[in-house]
Amino acid sequence: NAGVMQNPRHLVRRRGQEARLRCSPMKGHSHVYWYRQLPEEGLKFMVYLQKENIIDESGMPKERFSAEFPKEGPSILRIQQVVRGDSAAYFCASSPGLAGGLGGANVLTFGAGSRLTVL
Amino acid sequence: ELKVEQNPLFLSMQEGKNYTIYCNYSTTSDRLYWYRQDPGKSLESLFVLLSNGAVKQEGRLMASLDTKARLSTLHITAAVHDLSATYFCAVKTNQAGTALIFGKGTTLSVSS
Repeated sequence: NAGVMQNPRHLVRRRGQEARLRCSPMKGHSHVYWYRQLPEEGLKFMVYLQKENIIDESGMPKERFSAEFPKEGPSILRIQQVVRGDSAAYFCASSPGLAGGLGGANVLTFGAGSRLTVL
Repeated sequence: ELKVEQNPLFLSMQEGKNYTIYCNYSTTSDRLYWYRQDPGKSLESLFVLLSNGAVKQEGRLMASLDTKARLSTLHITAAVHDLSATYFCAVKTNQAGTALIFGKGTTLSVSS
């Protein structure tokens, strides 16, 4: 039973390029969450998605960042025109239902992360 | 807006001693999670605390939740080197459609 799969694990981009990070949730999980971790900091929530729907994007920067979770295929976090400040580890997590929602603990399972370096 | 604060942020421990990490949060919640992260690795779920007074123990780690005080503690008994890692608490509000909010993490370093 594969866990949460993220790719690429490492991505290097020059300023102004685009970065695309992919996340395939655990089998049976329909909820995906993206978090960003900067060095020496905790995890910052970015966006929460279900299939074809964005549930909560309150943590997403207003510009250059977008996320989707199509009916088929992985969730994609897209960063346009990257800047050095975008360098970070981006973690995807999935859960079978609403994290901590009724009916169970719905623990988030995290992927190994995608480490983006912007030169 | 939910805020989650951990302290201390850094903890240098001696092997064999006991320590406690604190996690405070700002709004009503009855679901709290503890995760561990080793350097350069992903996050591993340690505990899920689902109700007031909940206590969970695994090996040298014990977590508890006081929802009235909005406080969770992670207690480390007789620290060993293998426990060196960063520990995060995460909280979800009771509001539907919201994700887990994490604290900044507590980095533990155990030395002999």
